[in-house]
Amino acid sequence: EVQLVESGGGLVKPGGSLRLSCAASGFSFSAYSINWVRQAPGKGLEWVSSISSSSSFIYYADSVKGRFTISRDNAKNSLSLLMNSLRAEDTAVYYCARVILGATGAFDVWGQGTMVTVSS
Amino acid sequence: QSALTQPASVSGSPGQSITISCTGTSSDVGNYNYVSWFQQHPGKAPKLIIYEVSNRPSGVSNRISGSKSGNTASLTISGLQAEDEADYYCTSYTTTSTLVFGIGTRVTVL
Repeated sequence: EVQLVESGGGLVKPGGSLRLSCAASGFSFSAYSINWVRQAPGKGLEWVSSISSSSSFIYYADSVKGRFTISRDNAKNSLSLLMNSLRAEDTAVYYCARVILGATGAFDVWGQGTMVTVSS
Repeated sequence: QSALTQPASVSGSPGQSITISCTGTSSDVGNYNYVSWFQQHPGKAPKLIIYEVSNRPSGVSNRISGSKSGNTASLTISGLQAEDEADYYCTSYTTTSTLVFGIGTRVTVL
């Protein structure tokens, strides 16, 4: 079964750090670009970051640039999002999502999400 | 990058057709055919229903279709059914190599 599973969410204080992970299975992980998308409680979807199959191309939303770092380990079929200098507005469910080959923005496989709460 | 503009809510009776608009700028929707649409039911992860403006992934109902004109993309659901009640989001690639989502549209089946 094609699957993405996020982990690492939790409660963190403002200014703190957290590392999210996304474990892939059931497909050739190394061939696909993967993105992070978040959704604040009761709010809409917000694109966070993308990483190409070989990590050659990495992009961030302005709201997280300089604070978040995306990375992947194709040998371990895993993706990470290191989040530093966390703010209350980073509170959200964070999803990792696979991109259809050659179709930018076409997220065809999503994880179940992991909740990040930034609060003192 | 500002969010794409969508109506907050759209409603229709069973069997009717509805259309959701997604308005951007020449820096996103108007410049690329990389517009996707997602359906999200409460408490669930989003589901891809349209990509590259008008392509349907395997398994998505042919009652769902997409189009684009200028800076505005549209999603049409025909033969509205109770299961179509959900939130719908568009997204577009941008000239800064990022992605931007729409604010979301709540579809209600009357």
